[in-house]
Amino acid sequence: DQQVKQNSPSLSVQEGRISILNCDYTNSMFDYFLWYKKYPAEGPTFLISISSIKDKNEDGRFTVFLNKSAKHLSLHIVPSQPGDSAVYFCAASAEGQNFVFGPGTRLSVLP
Amino acid sequence: EAGVTQSPTHLIKTRGQQATLRCSPISGHTSVYWYQQALGLGLQFLLWYDEGEERNRGNFPPRFSGRQFPNYSSELNVNALELEDSALYLCASSLGRLRVEAFFGQGTRLTVV
Repeated sequence: DQQVKQNSPSLSVQEGRISILNCDYTNSMFDYFLWYKKYPAEGPTFLISISSIKDKNEDGRFTVFLNKSAKHLSLHIVPSQPGDSAVYFCAASAEGQNFVFGPGTRLSVLP
Repeated sequence: EAGVTQSPTHLIKTRGQQATLRCSPISGHTSVYWYQQALGLGLQFLLWYDEGEERNRGNFPPRFSGRQFPNYSSELNVNALELEDSALYLCASSLGRLRVEAFFGQGTRLTVV
């Protein structure tokens, strides 16, 4: 049973436009959420996180939105750059529990 | 400050052999997580160690085991290797069980032939 879902395996966006990556979760105990970026054959790189007491967190070009009632979060990248092309993983955790990752979304930013 | 380091970078083993993968966490981090990423798949949780104890285990057979040492470094052992164990094994560390992010190493690419 997949507790963290990323229903779009891939996404293509034009350079300079907004990229929106979505993530849904089923476990209502999850209260801390993270986004990671991963290049092939490398470890994931932490991007941004959000706790359940907030509904938005911003860091430069990256903004994460959390809708607890819908059990949905999204990552917005504005403006998108070719170097943002990577696989993006959403992760979630509950108190005292390990991080659970989604299957990832491959973002391609086209020049 | 040094990040999470994993060794070896690449490892080639024969089916039935044992593999040992090592991870050194960021200084001050007490939690170490192990994940498996098979080709084309997502990150599957293997093991979580904190303060020297196993805190949680993923849905993997018992031939996947590990330990955490007093200096918080960790080993992942895979016994009786099977071809499908070929994957990128990722280690991450974090500040204990606080609600903070985990940082990943570069991974060990294990190939079973």
